[in-house]
Amino acid sequence: GAVVSQHPSRVICKSGTSVKIECRSLDFQATTMFWYRQFPKQSLMLMATSNEGSKATYEQGVEKDKFLINHASLTLSTLTVTSAHPEDSSFYICSARSPGAEVGEAFFGQGTRLTVV
Amino acid sequence: AQTVTQSQPEMSVQEAETVTLSCTYDTSESDYYLFWYKQPPSRQMILVIRQEAYKQQNATENRFSVNFQKAAKSFSLKISDSQLGDAAMYFCAYRTWAGSYQLTFGKGTKLSVIP
Repeated sequence: GAVVSQHPSRVICKSGTSVKIECRSLDFQATTMFWYRQFPKQSLMLMATSNEGSKATYEQGVEKDKFLINHASLTLSTLTVTSAHPEDSSFYICSARSPGAEVGEAFFGQGTRLTVV
Repeated sequence: AQTVTQSQPEMSVQEAETVTLSCTYDTSESDYYLFWYKQPPSRQMILVIRQEAYKQQNATENRFSVNFQKAAKSFSLKISDSQLGDAAMYFCAYRTWAGSYQLTFGKGTKLSVIP
């Protein structure tokens, strides 16, 4: 199957600083990627849809100025958590659809554990 | 908006036995996709099985099969001959037929496999 790589897998940052998380499609081009957030022992909640070459579409309640998304190429989308606070600590997961994949399937990155101290 | 409900927060099964995980969903659409994803301790999401709503035949992937009841909006996962490596969080997910590939997930079921 298609490979989606997310980096870093873990990051600890100080409150008030910004953190960038990368999501790369390694063997396919992804015009659309998705960013999810997963709280401990909870489900994945869609944060935003990242579209190559255009602005991301954010879900209701997600602050677009806090969670900056840039999809500058067909293989890379980045999520930047700006002015991070402890409540932003969570597990962030990206996914992308491979054009060559069976209809309906999306591939996920390994996830990033963000801890804000 | 679509919703996905998994009513079993935790389940356990004896190794080599069979277990069924429940999922119900709510939608006004007639065509859509349903998925079961596995999330092991590594947190990597792994697709277990998919079902297209227009297909009446239940999907099967080796030891994994589903019971898809469209009228009842039910989509349960059956794991046969359970193995220790099956222990994980299992998420049921819904995707609309057309448009975006974003998924709506249930809250998940934690499956433990007892040796």
